[in-house]
Amino acid sequence: AQSVTQLGSHVSVSEGALVLLRCNYSSSVPPYLFWYVQYPNQGLQLLLKYTSAATLVKGINGFEAEFKKSETSFHLTKPSAHMSDAAEYFCAVSRGGGADGLTFGKGTHLIIQP
Amino acid sequence: EAGVAQSPRYKIIEKRQSVAFWCNPISGHATLYWYQQILGQGPKLLIQFQNNGVVDDSQLPKDRFSAERLKGVDSTLKIQPAKLEDSAVYLCASSLESGGATQYFGPGTRLTVL
Repeated sequence: AQSVTQLGSHVSVSEGALVLLRCNYSSSVPPYLFWYVQYPNQGLQLLLKYTSAATLVKGINGFEAEFKKSETSFHLTKPSAHMSDAAEYFCAVSRGGGADGLTFGKGTHLIIQP
Repeated sequence: EAGVAQSPRYKIIEKRQSVAFWCNPISGHATLYWYQQILGQGPKLLIQFQNNGVVDDSQLPKDRFSAERLKGVDSTLKIQPAKLEDSAVYLCASSLESGGATQYFGPGTRLTVL
C-alpha cells in the first residue's frame, strides 16, 4: 500500500521568499513521485516528477524537488516566490507498473503575501 | 495538442437521481483514469482503463458507480443512485501508457447532490 503525507495544509510566504512544501511518502516498491499544482476551478497541472533517474528534479515555473530515499521525502522548493504561485499543491505517489493510479496527499494551500 | 475534455463542467441533482459524466482523453493515450476529489482533499482514484479494459477498480463503489470506455477512446462514469456524499469534483486523466507516465488531467466535473 502507498500513502502520502503533506505537512501543513496552509503555507504562507512573502513574495520573493523561499517556498518549501513538504511531502513524505510510504511505498512498498520503488516509487514514482509527482508534484501537481491546481489553480481554482481548474484541473491539475504537472510541476515535476521523479522516476528513478536523477534525485534532484527540476520542473516548470522554477520549482524543483529532491528525492531522499533515507528520509522517504520529496519536498518541493522554489528560491523566490511569485504572486502567481498562489495555488493548491499536491504530492502524489505511484507504484508504476500496469496499475499506476496516483495516491495523492491532502494538499497544501500556498499563500503569497505581498 | 488538445487536452483532456470533460463534460458537463457542473451538475446539480437530487439524491437518488442518476448522473453521467463524459471524458475524451488526449488523442493516442491508451490509459484513462477517473478520480474523485472531495472538497478539501486530494483526488482519489476510482478506476483505471488500459485501452478498453479495466486495470484497477478496487476503489470504485460498484453498488452505485459504473464506468465504461468504449472502443478504447471516450469514457463515461455513471452514478446511480446518487448520495449526498457523492458531491465532489470528478476528474478524468489520461496518459500515453501506464508505468509512471505523466497523467494529464481534464478540468473536472463539479457534482452537487442536494
